[in-house]
Amino acid sequence: DGGITQSPKYLFRKEGQNVTLSCEQNLNHDAMYWYRQDPGQGLRLIYYSQIVNDFQKGDIAEGYSVSREKKESFPLTVTSAQKNPTAFYLCASSREVGQGSDTQYFGPGTRLTVL
Amino acid sequence: KNEVEQSPQNLTAQEGEFITINCSYSVGISALHWLQQHPGGGIVSLFMLSSGKKKHGRLIATINIQEKHSSLHITASHPRDSAVYICAVIGNQFYFGTGTSLTVIP
Repeated sequence: DGGITQSPKYLFRKEGQNVTLSCEQNLNHDAMYWYRQDPGQGLRLIYYSQIVNDFQKGDIAEGYSVSREKKESFPLTVTSAQKNPTAFYLCASSREVGQGSDTQYFGPGTRLTVL
Repeated sequence: KNEVEQSPQNLTAQEGEFITINCSYSVGISALHWLQQHPGGGIVSLFMLSSGKKKHGRLIATINIQEKHSSLHITASHPRDSAVYICAVIGNQFYFGTGTSLTVIP
Protein backbone atom coordinates (compact mmCIF):
# COMPACT_ATOMS: atom_id res chain seq x y z
CA ASP A 1 0.00 0.00 0.00
CA GLY A 2 1.25 3.47 -0.89
CA GLY A 3 1.34 6.08 1.79
CA ILE A 4 3.27 8.15 4.27
CA THR A 5 4.63 6.84 7.53
CA GLN A 6 5.79 8.83 10.49
CA SER A 7 7.50 7.48 13.52
CA PRO A 8 7.21 7.41 16.37
CA LYS A 9 3.57 8.28 17.09
CA TYR A 10 4.44 9.68 20.53
CA LEU A 11 7.81 11.09 21.51
CA PHE A 12 9.02 12.47 24.79
CA ARG A 13 12.23 14.42 25.20
CA LYS A 14 13.94 16.45 27.85
CA GLU A 15 14.32 20.16 27.35
CA GLY A 16 17.58 21.05 25.62
CA GLN A 17 17.81 17.84 23.59
CA ASN A 18 17.62 17.70 19.83
CA VAL A 19 15.12 15.20 18.45
CA THR A 20 14.56 13.89 14.91
CA LEU A 21 11.14 12.96 13.56
CA SER A 22 10.97 10.47 10.73
CA CYS A 23 8.85 10.79 7.58
CA GLU A 24 8.90 8.26 4.74
CA GLN A 25 6.71 8.07 1.63
CA ASN A 26 6.42 5.46 -1.09
CA LEU A 27 4.11 7.47 -3.33
CA ASN A 28 6.97 8.57 -5.61
CA HIS A 29 6.13 12.18 -4.79
CA ASP A 30 8.68 14.90 -5.44
CA ALA A 31 7.34 17.36 -2.86
CA MET A 32 7.33 16.84 0.89
CA TYR A 33 6.25 19.10 3.74
CA TRP A 34 6.43 19.42 7.50
CA TYR A 35 3.64 21.11 9.44
CA ARG A 36 3.13 21.89 13.07
CA GLN A 37 -0.32 21.85 14.66
CA ASP A 38 -1.10 23.52 17.99
CA PRO A 39 -4.48 23.49 19.76
CA GLY A 40 -6.86 26.08 18.30
CA GLN A 41 -4.54 26.93 15.43
CA GLY A 42 -4.37 25.91 11.82
CA LEU A 43 -1.52 23.89 10.41
CA ARG A 44 1.64 25.95 10.01
CA LEU A 45 4.32 25.15 7.47
CA ILE A 46 7.81 24.53 8.89
CA TYR A 47 9.78 23.40 5.84
CA TYR A 48 9.07 22.00 2.42
CA SER A 49 11.11 20.30 -0.25
CA GLN A 50 10.39 20.29 -3.96
CA ILE A 51 13.07 17.83 -4.90
CA VAL A 52 15.94 15.80 -3.49
CA ASN A 53 18.75 17.89 -1.96
CA ASP A 54 16.61 21.00 -1.96
CA PHE A 55 14.39 22.47 0.74
CA GLN A 56 12.86 25.81 1.64
CA LYS A 57 11.84 27.45 4.89
CA GLY A 58 8.18 27.80 5.66
CA ASP A 59 6.49 30.22 8.02
CA ILE A 60 8.00 28.93 11.27
CA ALA A 61 11.37 27.39 10.41
CA GLU A 62 13.33 28.84 13.34
CA GLY A 63 14.58 26.11 15.65
CA TYR A 64 14.06 23.35 13.08
CA SER A 65 16.23 21.71 10.44
CA VAL A 66 15.57 19.21 7.67
CA SER A 67 17.39 17.14 5.09
CA ARG A 68 16.28 15.54 1.83
CA GLU A 69 18.97 13.07 0.81
CA LYS A 70 16.48 10.61 -0.65
CA LYS A 71 13.20 11.15 -2.47
CA GLU A 72 11.35 8.94 -0.01
CA SER A 73 12.61 10.52 3.19
CA PHE A 74 12.31 13.98 4.76
CA PRO A 75 13.36 13.89 8.43
CA LEU A 76 12.74 16.89 10.68
CA THR A 77 15.07 17.78 13.56
CA VAL A 78 13.64 19.82 16.39
CA THR A 79 16.62 21.56 17.90
CA SER A 80 17.13 22.94 21.38
CA ALA A 81 16.74 26.42 19.85
CA GLN A 82 13.04 25.83 19.29
CA LYS A 83 11.46 27.65 22.22
CA ASN A 84 8.16 25.80 22.37
CA PRO A 85 8.60 22.43 20.69
CA THR A 86 5.70 20.55 22.27
CA ALA A 87 3.20 20.08 19.43
CA PHE A 88 1.71 17.68 16.92
CA TYR A 89 3.88 17.36 13.81
CA LEU A 90 2.47 16.29 10.46
CA CYS A 91 4.38 15.29 7.36
CA ALA A 92 2.77 15.45 3.92
CA SER A 93 3.69 14.87 0.31
CA SER A 94 2.40 15.78 -3.13
CA ARG A 95 3.51 15.25 -6.70
CA GLU A 96 4.70 18.83 -7.02
CA VAL A 97 4.75 22.01 -4.97
CA GLY A 98 2.29 24.76 -5.73
CA GLN A 99 0.22 22.93 -8.30
CA GLY A 100 -3.47 23.67 -7.95
CA SER A 101 -4.52 20.35 -9.34
CA ASP A 102 -2.48 18.41 -6.84
CA THR A 103 -3.52 17.18 -3.44
CA GLN A 104 -1.43 16.54 -0.37
CA TYR A 105 -1.32 13.23 1.41
CA PHE A 106 -0.70 13.33 5.14
CA GLY A 107 1.08 10.99 7.49
CA PRO A 108 -0.46 9.95 10.83
CA GLY A 109 1.56 12.53 12.77
CA THR A 110 4.00 12.53 15.68
CA ARG A 111 3.03 14.05 19.00
CA LEU A 112 6.16 15.50 20.60
CA THR A 113 6.21 16.39 24.26
CA VAL A 114 9.21 18.15 25.73
CA LEU A 115 9.46 17.76 29.47
CA LYS B 1 -4.63 37.92 10.25
CA ASN B 2 -5.87 34.57 9.00
CA GLU B 3 -5.99 34.03 5.28
CA VAL B 4 -8.59 31.30 5.80
CA GLU B 5 -11.55 31.63 8.16
CA GLN B 6 -13.89 28.78 9.01
CA SER B 7 -17.26 28.79 10.72
CA PRO B 8 -18.51 27.54 12.99
CA GLN B 9 -15.54 26.57 15.17
CA ASN B 10 -17.57 23.91 16.95
CA LEU B 11 -20.73 22.14 15.86
CA THR B 12 -22.91 19.56 17.57
CA ALA B 13 -25.64 17.84 15.60
CA GLN B 14 -28.12 15.03 16.06
CA GLU B 15 -27.70 12.00 13.89
CA GLY B 16 -29.48 12.49 10.57
CA GLU B 17 -29.18 16.28 10.49
CA PHE B 18 -27.91 18.20 7.47
CA ILE B 19 -24.65 19.96 8.30
CA THR B 20 -22.92 22.91 6.66
CA ILE B 21 -19.40 24.13 7.36
CA ASN B 22 -18.23 27.37 5.79
CA CYS B 23 -14.83 28.58 4.63
CA SER B 24 -13.88 32.08 3.50
CA TYR B 25 -10.48 33.06 2.23
CA SER B 26 -8.72 36.29 1.37
CA VAL B 27 -5.94 35.24 -1.01
CA GLY B 28 -5.95 34.33 -4.68
CA ILE B 29 -6.08 30.60 -5.04
CA SER B 30 -5.75 27.90 -7.63
CA ALA B 31 -7.63 25.29 -5.60
CA LEU B 32 -9.22 24.57 -2.26
CA HIS B 33 -9.05 21.41 -0.15
CA TRP B 34 -11.40 20.07 2.45
CA LEU B 35 -9.59 17.83 4.92
CA GLN B 36 -10.88 15.59 7.69
CA GLN B 37 -8.87 15.02 10.85
CA HIS B 38 -9.90 12.19 13.15
CA PRO B 39 -9.32 12.18 16.92
CA GLY B 40 -6.14 10.17 16.48
CA GLY B 41 -4.69 13.03 14.44
CA GLY B 42 -4.50 11.51 10.96
CA ILE B 43 -5.66 13.76 8.13
CA VAL B 44 -7.49 12.64 5.02
CA SER B 45 -8.17 14.76 1.96
CA LEU B 46 -11.92 14.78 1.21
CA PHE B 47 -12.14 17.10 -1.76
CA MET B 48 -10.01 19.28 -3.92
CA LEU B 49 -11.90 21.76 -6.06
CA SER B 50 -11.27 24.89 -8.07
CA SER B 51 -14.82 25.59 -9.27
CA GLY B 52 -18.40 24.45 -8.93
CA LYS B 53 -19.37 21.48 -6.87
CA LYS B 54 -18.18 17.98 -6.04
CA LYS B 55 -20.07 15.13 -4.40
CA HIS B 56 -18.79 11.98 -2.74
CA GLY B 57 -21.34 9.86 -0.95
CA ARG B 58 -23.03 12.00 1.69
CA LEU B 59 -20.48 14.80 1.34
CA ILE B 60 -20.89 17.76 -0.99
CA ALA B 61 -18.39 20.59 -1.45
CA THR B 62 -19.07 23.82 -3.29
CA ILE B 63 -16.89 26.78 -4.11
CA ASN B 64 -17.62 30.31 -5.33
CA ILE B 65 -14.38 31.79 -6.62
CA GLN B 66 -15.82 35.30 -7.05
CA GLU B 67 -17.03 35.41 -3.45
CA LYS B 68 -13.96 33.54 -2.13
CA HIS B 69 -16.15 31.14 -0.25
CA SER B 70 -16.60 27.40 0.01
CA SER B 71 -19.02 25.18 1.89
CA LEU B 72 -18.87 21.56 2.96
CA HIS B 73 -22.23 19.85 3.42
CA ILE B 74 -22.89 16.53 5.09
CA THR B 75 -26.28 14.96 4.47
CA ALA B 76 -27.84 12.44 6.87
CA SER B 77 -25.03 12.94 9.39
CA HIS B 78 -23.77 9.97 11.38
CA PRO B 79 -21.69 9.68 14.56
CA ARG B 80 -18.77 8.40 12.48
CA ASP B 81 -18.68 11.83 10.79
CA SER B 82 -17.45 13.27 14.10
CA ALA B 83 -14.08 14.82 13.33
CA VAL B 84 -12.35 18.13 12.70
CA TYR B 85 -12.90 19.47 9.20
CA ILE B 86 -10.18 21.73 7.85
CA CYS B 87 -10.33 24.06 4.88
CA ALA B 88 -7.02 24.64 3.07
CA VAL B 89 -6.38 26.85 0.07
CA ILE B 90 -3.54 26.77 -2.41
CA GLY B 91 -2.25 30.14 -3.46
CA ASN B 92 1.48 30.73 -3.68
CA GLN B 93 1.59 28.41 -0.68
CA PHE B 94 -0.82 26.33 1.37
CA TYR B 95 -2.98 28.21 3.90
CA PHE B 96 -5.01 26.31 6.48
CA GLY B 97 -8.07 27.23 8.48
CA THR B 98 -8.20 26.40 12.19
CA GLY B 99 -10.82 23.73 11.63
CA THR B 100 -14.42 23.02 12.59
CA SER B 101 -14.92 20.42 15.29
CA LEU B 102 -18.04 18.38 14.51
CA THR B 103 -19.72 16.05 16.97
CA VAL B 104 -22.69 14.00 15.80
CA ILE B 105 -24.78 12.58 18.62
CA PRO B 106 -26.70 9.32 18.12
